[in-house]
Amino acid sequence: QQQVKQSPQSLIVQKGGISIINCAYENTAFDYFPWYQQFPGKGPALLIAIRPDVSEKKEGRFTISFNKSAKQFSLHIMDSQPGDSATYFCAASGFGTASKLTFGTGTRLQVTL
Amino acid sequence: DGGITQSPKYLFRKEGQNVTLSCEQNLNHDAMYWYRQDPGQGLRLIYYSQIVNDFQKGDIAEGYSVSREKKESFPLTVTSAQKNPTAFYLCASSIGTTSTEAFFGQGTRLTVV
Repeated sequence: QQQVKQSPQSLIVQKGGISIINCAYENTAFDYFPWYQQFPGKGPALLIAIRPDVSEKKEGRFTISFNKSAKQFSLHIMDSQPGDSATYFCAASGFGTASKLTFGTGTRLQVTL
Repeated sequence: DGGITQSPKYLFRKEGQNVTLSCEQNLNHDAMYWYRQDPGQGLRLIYYSQIVNDFQKGDIAEGYSVSREKKESFPLTVTSAQKNPTAFYLCASSIGTTSTEAFFGQGTRLTVV
C-alpha cells in the first residue's frame, strides 16, 4: 500500500526555470514531511522539511508548500540549476514512530542548459 | 567527522549465501534504520531499532535479520531466504522517537549472482 504518492516520475527543466514536484499522503497521523535529494550512487540527504502547522517553508531556492486539508505537499525549486539534477524523494513520518519514514517513489530531475 | 559509515560500498555474493552489511554511526543517535532501494520504488523500510537490544520489522523484513548490540552499530544480514536480494541498501539514523531528520549512509550495492 503506497501511503505517499509522488509525481512526476521524471522532470526536465531548463536552467533558470521552476521545478515542481508533488506528493500526496493518506495517513492523517503524519506530522513531518521532509524532502530528500539523492545523487547517483550516494545516500539521500535532507533538503528541506515541514510540519503541518505551517503552509509554506522556504530555504534559499527551495520551497515546500503544504495543504493539510488536501493532504498534499510540493517542492518548488526556483532558478533551477544543472547542479540540481538529482532524484528527489518526498517522505512522511508520524509522532512516536522514531522518524520511520514512508517515502514516495522519487522524481528524477534533469536541468538542462 | 560525525556520520554514518556503511561498508562495503559494493558487495557480490553467490546465490544461497548469507551476507552481512555493516552500518556504524558516531552521531550518538538512538534510532537506526535499514532501507532497501530499487529503481522506481523509492526506499522501503526493512528493519528499525529505537534502542539497543530492541528492533522492529519494517514493511519488507522477510529474508532479512538484524541485531543492535551496541548503540553505534546496526548490521543487516541478507539471508538466503530473501528471494530478490540484489539492491541498494541504505542505513540511516535519527535522534530518537520524535519525527526528526534521518541521516543516511552512502549505501551498499549488493549484487547476488
